[in-house]
Amino acid sequence: DADVTQTPRNRITKTGKRIMLECSQTKGHDRMYWYRQDPGLGLRLIYYSFDVKDINKGEISDGYSVSRQAQAKFSLSLESAIPNQTALYFCATKDSANTGELFFGEGSRLTVL
Amino acid sequence: GNSVTQMEGPVTLSEEAFLTINCTYTATGYPSLFWYVQYPGEGLQLLLKATKADDKGSNKGFEATYRKETTSFHLEKGSVQVSDSAVYFCALSARYTGGSQGNLIFGKGTKLSVKP
Repeated sequence: DADVTQTPRNRITKTGKRIMLECSQTKGHDRMYWYRQDPGLGLRLIYYSFDVKDINKGEISDGYSVSRQAQAKFSLSLESAIPNQTALYFCATKDSANTGELFFGEGSRLTVL
Repeated sequence: GNSVTQMEGPVTLSEEAFLTINCTYTATGYPSLFWYVQYPGEGLQLLLKATKADDKGSNKGFEATYRKETTSFHLEKGSVQVSDSAVYFCALSARYTGGSQGNLIFGKGTKLSVKP
């Protein structure tokens, strides 16, 4: 089983719908992240959490919200999806004691029509 | 602010060719530097890293040297294989960036295709 699991892996939805992407990890890491990947733009940070009570906005948080339900779970919500939120979304985890290695899930491909 | 610039792709090489993917960075202080690789249909995984100037990271035949004087961390491999086809991301982790200490900043990625 993967250490960082994302669900769903693929989702097609319509403009205006609410979408939740879920992430769970078995690595015991305290830090969790949501990134968005777009062709030619690389990875951009949406939100990150250093522990259950610590949530922070990344560089592109508008239109997104997150919830850290437990140390192992970090979900990303799009309250009202729009077509330019069509992208590949990655969850990642990191041990705060580590010098920087992130562990990524396999990604959730979201298409907003 | 902190940033990473890497060469644009796609890069297409024949098997056994020499690979260089350029990466330069801008950062305050002394960041740690990373190369991540993303194989088709997968998430990113760490390829190699260097945490201080003149360190050389290496893994799977890939190498990169942390050059403070040129603010560079170029990825090299002497003989690429078809299985090296992937997207490669350069990244930095700046140690003191206010509330975001330790967060990774990624370049835009370079797609490598290796032909048999």
